[in-house]
Amino acid sequence: EADIYQTPRYLVIGTGKKITLECSQTMGHDKMYWYQQDPGMELHLIHYSYGVNSTEKGDLSSESTVSRIRTEHFPLTLESARPSHTSQYLCASSEGNRGVYEQYFGPGTRLTVT
Amino acid sequence: GDSVTQMEGPVTLSEEAFLTINCTYTATGYPSLFWYVQYPGEGLQLLLKATKADDKGSNKGFEATYRKETTSFHLEKGSVQVSDSAVYFCALKKDSNYQLIWGAGTKLIIKP
Repeated sequence: EADIYQTPRYLVIGTGKKITLECSQTMGHDKMYWYQQDPGMELHLIHYSYGVNSTEKGDLSSESTVSRIRTEHFPLTLESARPSHTSQYLCASSEGNRGVYEQYFGPGTRLTVT
Repeated sequence: GDSVTQMEGPVTLSEEAFLTINCTYTATGYPSLFWYVQYPGEGLQLLLKATKADDKGSNKGFEATYRKETTSFHLEKGSVQVSDSAVYFCALKKDSNYQLIWGAGTKLIIKP
């Protein structure tokens, strides 16, 4: 069982608020990822990190930002939430070494911006 | 560029029916291939994987064989249950980095 955690699981917040979605993993994985997904639909990579102090934007443009100060922690921040940010956000991690490339996912955060 | 194509859903079957969800890919070299499952309200779980041609991944009664000649990795199960209702994603590892390329997902509905 993968040990990757996301909080909160559900968040309803008003327009213009600043929010941070938390993601932590206890597997010591170097690689971490954030995806945006409408429930049951296609996954869109919005950010990734290959190690501490390394972050990159993904294929889908996003107004969010991320940081990677510690190996185990990869928070995502929205400075000013808008209704268009309403979605599910999935965090994942992978070892990415010795031919082991599968990603392990957290349970997701369902964000609703009113 | 690399890509993954899955059959469109929803796929609706009766309990105990045979399941096939098609997945084909375009990629250079020999990518690793994966099937993930997502139950309602949850994140994705790795279901099975294959890392080289002719490998067969299997788990929980599901199987998929890495077919290099047809660039396919179809998911099969001999007898589905209501609890198999979920969205299934096929994915491959990009040759150039650590990212996975995802199919659009196939929703499976099993009726009792």
